[in-house]
Amino acid sequence: DQQVKQNSPSLSVQEGRISILNCDYTNSMFDYFLWYKKYPAEGPTFLISISSIKDKNEDGRFTVFLNKSAKHLSLHIVPSQPGDSAVYFCAAIWAGANNLFFGTGTRLTVIP
Amino acid sequence: DTAVSQTPKYLVTQMGNDKSIKCEQNLGHDTMYWYKQDSKKFLKIMFSYNNKELIINETVPNRFSPKSPDKAHLNLHINSLELGDSAVYFCASSWGAGTNAEAFFGQGTRLTVV
Repeated sequence: DQQVKQNSPSLSVQEGRISILNCDYTNSMFDYFLWYKKYPAEGPTFLISISSIKDKNEDGRFTVFLNKSAKHLSLHIVPSQPGDSAVYFCAAIWAGANNLFFGTGTRLTVIP
Repeated sequence: DTAVSQTPKYLVTQMGNDKSIKCEQNLGHDTMYWYKQDSKKFLKIMFSYNNKELIINETVPNRFSPKSPDKAHLNLHINSLELGDSAVYFCASSWGAGTNAEAFFGQGTRLTVV
């Protein structure tokens, strides 16, 4: 049973435009959400996170939005750059959990 | 200086063999993990371990056994390898569970069973 879902396996965006990556979850106990970025032949690296007490968190070009009622979060990248091309994983956890729960990832391609 | 390192990066072996993947972290974290990324690219937890407790995912076959000689190391032993074990295995570590669980990952070990 996959509790974190990324329904878009891939996304292509022109350089300079906005990239929006979406993530849905089913477990209402999740209270902390993270985005990871993964390049080929490397492990995932932490990008940005958000607590359930917030609905938005910004870090430079990256902004994560959380809609708890819809059990949905999204990652916005503005402006998108070719170096952003990677697989992005959404992950979630709750205070009493032992590990992160990951989505299946979205492959972002930023076209120069 | 690599924070989480795992070896080998690539491992090709025959069915029925026993193999190990090593993982070390130099971040001082007290929790370590093994994740499996299968052909569908799904990153799924196999084990989480801190210096007090090993949490075993009940869906993992008992041919897989984690071993932690100390809190900086968590090795993965796999007995009687099967074709379906082919995947990329990631080691990770964090300060703890819950909202401290921002995990740092190793580069992965691509296991191919032939």
